[in-house]
Amino acid sequence: EVQLVESGGGLVQPGGSLRLSCVVSGFTFSSCAMSWVRQAPGKGLEWVSSISGSGGSPYYADSVKGRFTISRDNSKNTLYLQMNNLRVDDTAVYSCAKGAFADFYLDYWGQGTLVTVSS
Amino acid sequence: EVVMTQSPATLSVSPGERATLSCRASQSVSSSLAWFQQKPGQAPRLLIYGASTRATGIPARFSGSGSGTDFTLTISSLQSEDFAVYYCQQYNNWPQFTFGGGTKVEIK
Repeated sequence: EVQLVESGGGLVQPGGSLRLSCVVSGFTFSSCAMSWVRQAPGKGLEWVSSISGSGGSPYYADSVKGRFTISRDNSKNTLYLQMNNLRVDDTAVYSCAKGAFADFYLDYWGQGTLVTVSS
Repeated sequence: EVVMTQSPATLSVSPGERATLSCRASQSVSSSLAWFQQKPGQAPRLLIYGASTRATGIPARFSGSGSGTDFTLTISSLQSEDFAVYYCQQYNNWPQFTFGGGTKVEIK
């Protein structure tokens, strides 16, 4: 069974930092690209960042470029999102999502972890 | 950026009736279109990929169609568990995924 479990969310002040983790199981982690997608309260889904299976190719939405860093540790089956210089509009539930093997759609998602940026 | 527009924003349907949801892309995304179902407090669930292929375990009452810029998700006979928010997503421009704003399917 494929499982993705996020952690690391919480309340942080504007300008602060957080590191999110996503521990996965049930598939060959290193074979799949992974992504972070966020959903602000009462809003729709927004792609944040993606990374290839090897970890060599990170991609970012313009809204987080230069502030967020995606990474992965294939030996630990874990995906990360380092978020620096957080803004109020970064407040959202952050979910990790698995890319389909040999394709580009997202086939499994975690439940998400809530990040609240507020003074 | 490819902008995805879903309509209607809310669809009121009686159980057993047919529901038709629309998704339009601002430019062609070929058949690189997925549909997700999301219930409150739950992760999105993949229903359809490749515009028309049902994901593993998805009931046959869910079907997708379209290509290019216009896509449709049809639920042939709504069950109580189908009342949820549905999102379309293009992945033609991987990894710069973009999502539609969602259609809420509610009980009439």
